Amino acid sequence: NAGVTQTPKFRILKIGQSMTLQCTQDMNHNYMYWYRQDPGMGLKLIYYSVGAGITDKGEVPNGYNVSRSTTEDFPLRLELAAPSQTSVYFCASRGLAGALEQYFGPGTRLTVT
Amino acid sequence: GESVGLHLPTLSVQEGDNSIINCAYSNSASDYFIWYKQESGKGPQFIIDIRSNMDKRQGQRVTVLLNKTVKHLSLQIAATQPGDSAVYFCAEKSGTASKLTFGTGTRLQVTL
Repeated sequence: NAGVTQTPKFRILKIGQSMTLQCTQDMNHNYMYWYRQDPGMGLKLIYYSVGAGITDKGEVPNGYNVSRSTTEDFPLRLELAAPSQTSVYFCASRGLAGALEQYFGPGTRLTVT
Repeated sequence: GESVGLHLPTLSVQEGDNSIINCAYSNSASDYFIWYKQESGKGPQFIIDIRSNMDKRQGQRVTVLLNKTVKHLSLQIAATQPGDSAVYFCAEKSGTASKLTFGTGTRLQVTL
């Protein structure tokens, strides 16, 4: 049981480039989330999904897109990368019932130059 | 808007002492609170949670206290160890079951 996995661990992008951050969970969790964490700050919600085929915007969705075609995968797409998107990105998931805690992946450190 | 915040950005504690990390929240409708620990270069790790119908919850070496009257949450760590050095976040849930709002975090430094 690997939990939540994210790839890549690190990435450097040039302004205007695009990329997809991958997130996979093997806990059969319905809810999945994408957060960004800027230096010395807390986590801000970008997008979330309550199940396959359903996504919704969080607090800071501009510049990002997501899809949820399967329960396991929740990729985050950056189109036209900007320096303001330099951050650490965390994916999280939680189950449908019971405890509300979210389980986090190890993060992807993205630098846009 | 409503937000979760922390009183102390950095807390330095001697090994073996007890640590208390505080968190103030402003949304009186919040019904669930959670503490996470984040070590350098890693994702947040769940420590303990508490629902708003409780005042106190204990785990292994950790206790969370909730004071709804003054909208205050605290995390107590007993016999603090070097491995406890990390950034600690509180988060709250209000409204829909999906989303948590995170505070900015407190860095706990354990000195020998």
